[in-house]
Amino acid sequence: QKEVEQNSGPLSVPEGAIASLNCTYSDRGSQSFFWYRQYSGKSPELIMFIYSNGDKEDGRFTAQLNKASQYVSLLIRDSQPSDSATYLCAVAKTSYDKVIFGPGTSLSVIP
Amino acid sequence: DAGITQSPRHKVTETGTPVTLRCHQTENHRYMYWYRQDPGHGLRLIHYSYGVKDTDKGEVSDGYSVSRSKTEDFLLTLESATSSQTSVYFCAISESLSQPQHFGDGTRLSIL
Repeated sequence: QKEVEQNSGPLSVPEGAIASLNCTYSDRGSQSFFWYRQYSGKSPELIMFIYSNGDKEDGRFTAQLNKASQYVSLLIRDSQPSDSATYLCAVAKTSYDKVIFGPGTSLSVIP
Repeated sequence: DAGITQSPRHKVTETGTPVTLRCHQTENHRYMYWYRQDPGHGLRLIHYSYGVKDTDKGEVSDGYSVSRSKTEDFLLTLESATSSQTSVYFCAISESLSQPQHFGDGTRLSIL
């Protein structure tokens, strides 16, 4: 089992819909969770991080963490074509461990 | 944006030649990383550094070496480049090991 798993996609959603991206991780003791966005041909860009169970909102983005079920999700409300990108989930077990990146999910927002 | 500069941005070279990629930061972050990104493999850690002259291997370190003589500079060297090292290379920095990483713009390396 890989340490961080994501559906590769592509995930297609219509403009204005909610896009839901999911990530599961194998180590129950993981403490830090990050979402990155990567446009084609560009570098990953941090968009959200979450450390505690529950939801964290930032504009149109909401990160949801459920440590008991070992998943973290990213919701994008009112999806725009400019949200079309690959979204990388990253997890760190403890403050002494490296961040592990998932393979990414490709999102396409259809006008 | 985090002050991270990678050079060169593009390079084409031949098999067997040495190649050095440079990462320069202006953020004074302790940790610096080198990743490669290939289709179907995602981001894979090559080496990372936790201070001047302090480095450690990542999951795909074979064929690569690194050096960090100053806080702001982290060099990645391919001693004898092979076609399998054709990839996009990203440098990243972070304040601590588990903190968010910020990435440079990448170097597209082609080895013919």
